[in-house]
Formats: sequence, C-alpha cells, structure tokens
Amino acid sequence: EAQVTQNPRYLITVTGKKLTVTCSQNMNHEYMSWYRQDPGLGLRQIYYSMNVEVTDKGDVPEGYKVSRKEKRNFPLILESPSPNQTSLYFCASTNNGTQYFGPGTRLLVL
Amino acid sequence: GENVEQHPSTLSVQEGDSAVIKCTYSDSASNYFPWYKQELGKRPQLIIDIRSNVGEKKDQRIAVTLNKTAKHFSLHITETQPEDSAVYFCAATPNSNSGYALNFGKGTSLLVTP
Repeated sequence: EAQVTQNPRYLITVTGKKLTVTCSQNMNHEYMSWYRQDPGLGLRQIYYSMNVEVTDKGDVPEGYKVSRKEKRNFPLILESPSPNQTSLYFCASTNNGTQYFGPGTRLLVL
Repeated sequence: GENVEQHPSTLSVQEGDSAVIKCTYSDSASNYFPWYKQELGKRPQLIIDIRSNVGEKKDQRIAVTLNKTAKHFSLHITETQPEDSAVYFCAATPNSNSGYALNFGKGTSLLVTP
C-alpha cells in the first residue's frame, strides 16, 4: 500500500530536549516536505527536499533542521524545542503536484 | 513569494444547499491550483485540482473554476451532505511538477447541518 508514515504520532517534551520526527514514504517520490499546522494559520511549509541530499527552507524554517540521506526518509529535527513549536506537523511527499500527507504528529513542548 | 488568501474562514450551510469557497493569489506565474479536504483529526487529502490551461473542472458534486486574469479560483460544492463538513484548503504553486512550493490558504471550516 502506497503511504507516508510518521513517528511518533504524539509527543510531549520539555524545552531544550532534542527530538526527531521521522517520515518515510514508499512511493519513490523525489519531493518531500514538512508542514506545521496551527489554528487560524493553515499549513505552513517548514522545509522541503527536491531529492537526496537536496534540501531548502520553506516559509517557517527557524528552529528546525532536516536531512535527506535516502529517498524514502525525511526526518525533522528540533535541536532545542521551544513552546512556540507546539503544533501539528505533517510530512508530505509529492508526485506531479499532488501532495500525499502523512498522518500527522502532534507535538507539545512544555 | 506567492500569497494565497482564502474566504470565508467559516461557512455554515443547510444540507442540500451549495457552498462556495474563494481564493485569490498574487503570483501571476502560478499555474497549479489544488484543493484539499481535511476531516477532523485526519490528514489533508486532495479532492480536486485545476491547471492554468483550464477554466473549469468538475468531479461529481464538486467543481473548481479559475480566473487567471483576476487571479482567483473557487471551489463549488453542490447538494451538500453532512459528510462534506471539514476544513478545506486551497493552494497555488508556479511549479506543478514538483509541488514543493505549494502555498496554502488559511482554510475554510465548512459545516453542513442536516
């Protein structure tokens, strides 16, 4: 089954404790993205990747890092999380313009 | 960069009525305009899209229209049903082959009451 998976689905952490949210797709898509969704602000792109070892900033990249060492995986790294990064995060892979979203990761930073 | 405005932010209609959601964009180079539906607690999913060489596209009860001159596009849902209740997002991008520069509107929360 073609899908995008994310882990964990829910995470509660404390300020400053590094965390990684994994994202994996099995559709062999070259393009992948990370979004955050906040009430009233819609979906905002954090980072995107056009292919292996090619990443670039989206609209709200501050406080985040990504890596793309292999085509299927695109982890999101928060080196020192802060409360303003409390949000719902979606990973997506793209084919011919269509974004296929993962199930989402709800993060709470205390 | 591209700026996508979406209206209204909330919309309530009676079952069977039509619903219209409108979006405007700023980048005249944008050529791909998808619409996503997000049900409560779920991920956004593509429901319909339109490319700039087409003025209108229809799929059963949903349709999208595009006016490139005015830089706006709209989602039309006819004969609404309670299961149409969700948040709808429009988006625009100048690069339809990648989607990596997809710019989303802030969303419209649609409620269809029986």
